[in-house]
Amino acid sequence: GAVVSQHPSRVICKSGTSVKIECRSLDFQATTMFWYRQFPKQSLMLMATSNEGSKATYEQGVEKDKFLINHASLTLSTLTVTSAHPEDSSFYICSASPPGPGGGRHNEQFFGPGTRLTVL
Amino acid sequence: SQQGEEDPQALSIQEGENATMNCSYKTSINNLQWYRQNSGRGLVHLILIRSNEREKHSGRLRVTLDTSKKSSSLLITASRAADTASYFCAGPNLGGKLIFGQGTELSVKP
Repeated sequence: GAVVSQHPSRVICKSGTSVKIECRSLDFQATTMFWYRQFPKQSLMLMATSNEGSKATYEQGVEKDKFLINHASLTLSTLTVTSAHPEDSSFYICSASPPGPGGGRHNEQFFGPGTRLTVL
Repeated sequence: SQQGEEDPQALSIQEGENATMNCSYKTSINNLQWYRQNSGRGLVHLILIRSNEREKHSGRLRVTLDTSKKSSSLLITASRAADTASYFCAGPNLGGKLIFGQGTELSVKP
């Protein structure tokens, strides 16, 4: 099956620093990737849709200047949490759909293993 | 906003018993998906059921879909301790984005 990787798996940083998280599709090309955020014991909340070669589209309430998304190639999307604060501590998960009927948008998504961000 | 609402929020059973989780959704969908998440890990896709399907099986998993009631259920038969995880339903909204339910935390005791 399709594999999505994330790096790093875990990061601890000081308040005020920026953290970059990478999401890679290892064996398929993904024109669209998705970034989710998950707090403990809660569900996944979609943050933004990352589009290769164009600007990301953000969900309501998500600050685009805070969470910078770059989708520079068909296999890599990055999420940068700028000037991180303790309230940004969370589990960040990316996903991608392999191309298929309907552009793969309604097909199963493959998820990365997640990145645990802790801001001190 | 959540596409799906699941119940129960938590379920504890003994190994060998069946586990049933329910999901209700708000808007029309063309498919509904179930995912599993082990603690602190990413999600694993379990099964996708299309809107024109009523039931689907995969190994010990059985999923039903009732579009008239906007509900779905996931049944895990002969549960094992390794089935302990959180289970989420998810459906694409009108924009094609996958929106997740709140999840059911399943604990299977050996």
